[in-house]
Amino acid sequence: KNEVEQSPQNLTAQEGEFITINCSYSVGISALHWLQQHPGGGIVSLFMLSSGKKKHGRLIATINIQEKHSSLHITASHPRDSAVYICAVADSGGSNYKLTFGKGTLLTVNP
Amino acid sequence: SAVISQKPSRDICQRGTSLTIQCQVDSQVTMMFWYRQQPGQSLTLIATANQGSEATYESGFVIDKFPISRPNLTFSTLTVSNMSPEDSSIYLCSVGKRTGNGLVVSYEQYFGPGTRLTVT
Repeated sequence: KNEVEQSPQNLTAQEGEFITINCSYSVGISALHWLQQHPGGGIVSLFMLSSGKKKHGRLIATINIQEKHSSLHITASHPRDSAVYICAVADSGGSNYKLTFGKGTLLTVNP
Repeated sequence: SAVISQKPSRDICQRGTSLTIQCQVDSQVTMMFWYRQQPGQSLTLIATANQGSEATYESGFVIDKFPISRPNLTFSTLTVSNMSPEDSSIYLCSVGKRTGNGLVVSYEQYFGPGTRLTVT
């Protein structure tokens, strides 16, 4: 079973700061997801990665398959970015639709 | 992409009762999933609900406690039966859409807004 570790668990930043959240996993995967969960509980899918780097607006996600590590970066952070960010990995092989989730990183961006 | 709605968004229930959560998707999808998120915990997969077959439950979850229906390609329900305070959680449905081609296949997953259940 894959072990997914996120760091840091909690992160407080000032508006405008550059944010990095890290995710490492223990077993080879078919894809890695970055998700955003707001206080109401709903989850938004930010990225799905299997290699390299993706960018969407102020968000950048990278993955290093050899090192089993991914990072989520937020440039010019804003209070509306405050949320829990969750890393999830999809198994390789026949059950590659199943996700194993990290515990999440609580980001608070102060104005 | 996929837009998912869930009903109810939240509920407070008495122990021993049952609650049925509905999940509606704006497009036809084969794979639907039901997750539970207990307070302060990460998401845990309850079951995979594919249309046309019985739901497949993960270890620790049983059909008698969490019966699932999947009558068509856009709708599913999860029932939390004989509830106890330990069932207080957020319940989320999600759908998987296959991407990739050839040897490399992945599934984009889209999540609903969740149902926040409190059992007293």
